[in-house]
Amino acid sequence: AQSVTQLDSQVPVFEEAPVELRCNYSSSVSVYLFWYVQYPNQGLQLLLKYLSGSTLVKGINGFEAEFNKSQTSFHLRKPSVHISDTAEYFCAVSDDGDMRFGAGTRLTVKP
Amino acid sequence: DAGITQSPRHKVTETGTPVTLRCHQTENHRYMYWYRQDPGHGLRLIHYSYGVKDTDKGEVSDGYSVSRSKTEDFLLTLESATSSQTSVYFCAISEYRVYEQFFGPGTRLTVL
Repeated sequence: AQSVTQLDSQVPVFEEAPVELRCNYSSSVSVYLFWYVQYPNQGLQLLLKYLSGSTLVKGINGFEAEFNKSQTSFHLRKPSVHISDTAEYFCAVSDDGDMRFGAGTRLTVKP
Repeated sequence: DAGITQSPRHKVTETGTPVTLRCHQTENHRYMYWYRQDPGHGLRLIHYSYGVKDTDKGEVSDGYSVSRSKTEDFLLTLESATSSQTSVYFCAISEYRVYEQFFGPGTRLTVL
């Protein structure tokens, strides 16, 4: 079964700074990759997804992610964060089986 | 937003009591899932359904059962709740098994 590792449990950053949230997964022939965001006391909301095609994927709220097959990574980036981006972010991977989630990265944007 | 509701949103119960959580969707998606979310573990799959009366176990199914008698409803039952089942429970739906899932607002369950 797939496994997902989010390399940072917490990422503090100042407003308007760039941010990268890292995600690695165990290898597979073909995978589908997702990033979700969870605001306090809410469910998960899809940020972006990679199913096939271009390895650079753009999502909502100015986020993007790059699929790197050789490094089995799917890192999430944003060039300039806002206070409102403070939330928990989950990387998820699915192949022919269940969707597996990372443990999450708490992004805290400070003024 | 995908039409997914969960009830109740909060519940406090005592060890040994039965508990049923309900998930209702208005999207007519084939797949429905129950996850639990615990700090440091992300989301872990409890059970899922691929159609009416068709269900299968997930990673952490012990102590839980599910039922799906209608396309729109998926019930999660804790037959005899234990303190280790204190968690936040999320329902999700998807049109295809490997593609994106859409999540409900969650149910916070506390077992004393």
